[in-house]
Amino acid sequence: AQKITQTQPGMFVQEKEAVTLDCTYDTSDPSYGLFWYKQPSSGEMIFLIYQGSYDQQNATEGRYSLNFQKARKSANLVISASQLGDSAMYFCAMREDTSISSGSARQLTFGSGTQLTVLP
Amino acid sequence: DAGITQSPRHKVTETGTPVTLRCHQTENHRYMYWYRQDPGHGLRLIHYSYGVKDTDKGEVSDGYSVSRSKTEDFLLTLESATSSQTSVYFCATNQPGTDTQYFGPGTRLTVL
Repeated sequence: AQKITQTQPGMFVQEKEAVTLDCTYDTSDPSYGLFWYKQPSSGEMIFLIYQGSYDQQNATEGRYSLNFQKARKSANLVISASQLGDSAMYFCAMREDTSISSGSARQLTFGSGTQLTVLP
Repeated sequence: DAGITQSPRHKVTETGTPVTLRCHQTENHRYMYWYRQDPGHGLRLIHYSYGVKDTDKGEVSDGYSVSRSKTEDFLLTLESATSSQTSVYFCATNQPGTDTQYFGPGTRLTVL
């Protein structure tokens, strides 16, 4: 089973409007972290926002917010007031913590991404 | 910004040749990772390191080896490159605390 699912391969949004990018995850670990990254056409991976599984509040970073619904296992990214520069691929990722020890990976598992295009 | 550089940034090589990619970090982070990115797959973990000389396999480790002789350097080696290893390779380190991973600029490798 996929651990991270992003069901929207492509999304379009009008400039200045808000957009929600969907992410669902699958884990049996009680402790985990969820991340969103942006990858513009230039190719670099840019960290946007982080949500811990025990965090009571939804994470926010400027125009980015993470709509965390634990019971539904969803961690949707909301971008408010879209800008042309927001056009990029967006990846959701998860880190599972239960198995963490001194030698374990702390690795991220990524979804397949959503290509967002902001229209002028 | 975790001060991560990768070299080379682009490489074209032929099937069967050995290839080494280098990742260098300036933040003295303990954990380092190598991922590959292919269309439709997001990023997948190849190998990781949790300290000098301490490495382990990730999800897609076949055909790759790694070494870490210094905290700041993590090398990825393709012993005998194949066309299926044509990909973009990213190095990453962990920020202590939230364990947020920060990525290097990537290396685009083409195996002909």
